[in-house]
Amino acid sequence: DAKTTQPPSMDCAEGRAANLPCNHSTISGNEYVYWYRQIHSQGPQYIIHGLKNNETNEMASLIITEDRKSSTLILPHATLRDTAVYYCIVVMDSNYQLIWGAGTKLIIKP
Amino acid sequence: NAGVTQTPKFQVLKTGQSMTLQCAQDMNHNSMYWYRQDPGMGLRLIYYSASEGTTDKGEVPNGYNVSRLNKREFSLRLESAAPSQTSVYFCASSPGTEFREYFGPGTRLTVT
Repeated sequence: DAKTTQPPSMDCAEGRAANLPCNHSTISGNEYVYWYRQIHSQGPQYIIHGLKNNETNEMASLIITEDRKSSTLILPHATLRDTAVYYCIVVMDSNYQLIWGAGTKLIIKP
Repeated sequence: NAGVTQTPKFQVLKTGQSMTLQCAQDMNHNSMYWYRQDPGMGLRLIYYSASEGTTDKGEVPNGYNVSRLNKREFSLRLESAAPSQTSVYFCASSPGTEFREYFGPGTRLTVT
């Protein structure tokens, strides 16, 4: 599976959009991009995933570049409860394993 | 639905002791997973079960054994605990058709 690179930490003001980047330059054609978050030592929570099209759900939007070498998770109106570690993971659909990196610690400030 | 449940929530063991961590899911998921998470790090896969009756090693299987007792339950056993196994252990399940995993609350294990 392709490796991902994320900034170790980011800040965002409450009410603003939080844009979390992820680089996955070695991604192959059948690998998906998944995003999870982990709020203060709780079990991780699924956010969204995509293959090549942009995706949106009730939690977030996922923008994948045309060459698929990077993606951005967008939390449109960040709240204090969005403070968490966000993980970007790339995985083949034929594999059963998610490989977790260290993620990005997002701090939402009032 | 309770989702994924784990017992116990906390455990302290002495070196050499054994114990079993229990995990159950009520979502009729095919796949189940055991992860460990050390402070400041991401999750590392210990073992997984793609379907009832099968188990496979993950990234860090040494020192652990697993049993997929039935479709609902997946247990993790430490036969002889070591201080290096001090960690938070998470169980997860997924339908098996995608990687949307659902996690339990975790077990915080300390080995002294």
